[in-house]
Amino acid sequence: DGGITQSPKYLFRKEGQNVTLSCEQNLNHDAMYWYRQDPGQGLRLIYYSQIVNDFQKGDIAEGYSVSREKKESFPLTVTSAQKNPTAFYLCASSKITGGAYEQYFGPGTRLTVT
Amino acid sequence: DAKTTQPPSMDCAEGRAANLPCNHSTISGNEYVYWYRQIHSQGPQYIIHGLKNNETNEMASLIITEDRKSSTLILPHATLRDTAVYYCIVDTGKLIFGQGTTLQVKP
Repeated sequence: DGGITQSPKYLFRKEGQNVTLSCEQNLNHDAMYWYRQDPGQGLRLIYYSQIVNDFQKGDIAEGYSVSREKKESFPLTVTSAQKNPTAFYLCASSKITGGAYEQYFGPGTRLTVT
Repeated sequence: DAKTTQPPSMDCAEGRAANLPCNHSTISGNEYVYWYRQIHSQGPQYIIHGLKNNETNEMASLIITEDRKSSTLILPHATLRDTAVYYCIVDTGKLIFGQGTTLQVKP
């Protein structure tokens, strides 16, 4: 079954702890993305990577870090520096079709920090 | 900032066509128009994209005006399962999601 997996679906952490969210894809897509969504809001881009070993900051990268050591994997670390980490986190990958990017999303991880 | 403007909400009767408008007056020549939808608490789902020509797939049709400043997503026979937030996005790869249109399909 091809797709994007994110684990876990729900994650609880204490304030001050770093936490890493997993994202894996077996679609052979080059580009991968991390978004954050707050209740009733649209998605905001955290980081994206268009190729292995390279990534760029999105609109709200502060307090987050990523790595892209393998094409299939793009883990996101929410550090203790992120002031308001409780949110719904979505990972996506995209294929390029005739110059257009079709993004495919994982099911998301709901992070709660108390 | 999102480059698109969409109405915050719309209703549609089940079985009827749902026409969702989107304004993107600042679109540039190489930017595609994408449509995604998000059902509550799930990841967004890709629907369709287009550049200049109208497009149709198994999910929907996309009508883009000749000046490319606006587009309409058409769900030909809306069902209750089409109730979702629909996002219209214009970009060249980074994809910035705005607030979208909440479509409520009613029986």
